[in-house]
Amino acid sequence: DGGITQSPKYLFRKEGQNVTLSCEQNLNHDAMYWYRQDPGQGLRLIYYSQIVNDFQKGDIAEGYSVSREKKESFPLTVTSAQKNPTAFYLCASIEGARPNHGEAFFGQGTRLTVV
Amino acid sequence: GEDVEQSLFLSVREGDSSVINCTYTDSSSTYLYWYKQEPGAGLQLLTYIFSNMDMKQDQRLTVLLNKKDKHLSLRIADTQTGDSAIYFCAETNLIMNKLIFGAGTRLAVHP
Repeated sequence: DGGITQSPKYLFRKEGQNVTLSCEQNLNHDAMYWYRQDPGQGLRLIYYSQIVNDFQKGDIAEGYSVSREKKESFPLTVTSAQKNPTAFYLCASIEGARPNHGEAFFGQGTRLTVV
Repeated sequence: GEDVEQSLFLSVREGDSSVINCTYTDSSSTYLYWYKQEPGAGLQLLTYIFSNMDMKQDQRLTVLLNKKDKHLSLRIADTQTGDSAIYFCAETNLIMNKLIFGAGTRLAVHP
């Protein structure tokens, strides 16, 4: 079955550590997105990539980094520079390089907690 | 800049209709979406509407778009307890190649 998979579902990080969240899709989609969800604030865009080896900053990119070495993979690293990383992280993919009427497919999310 | 706004909470009685409203600012938006999120899960697309349409109906769901006022609504007929979730309005900004979401409306359905 085609889909988009995020792992792990729950992640705990000590302060000062970097941590990487995985996002893999087998839908052959061009565009991939990372969002952060906080209660009452909806989804805020961290980074997005329209094509392999290229990505753009979203609205809240500070303290995060990404790579897009393969079409199917778009990992997100939460660095120690991110001051308030505890949140629910969602990865999404869309078929075309540009968002259009195509459906955005979402992973099940990773809940990151800093301890 | 682009912005999407929604009220945060709506409570309805089972069997009644629910209407969730959304406003957006980006006049270049071409597609507008409604997504549903159940607890602890990702988002699922419910329906979408192209900006040159003013209404779209899909079973119990009706989407109304007032492009002049940049207002989008989602009506759920005969609301059931299984409809309890967070509903997100979203728009595409083709100039910036972004998919932009509102804060989400939490729909609570009570007997």
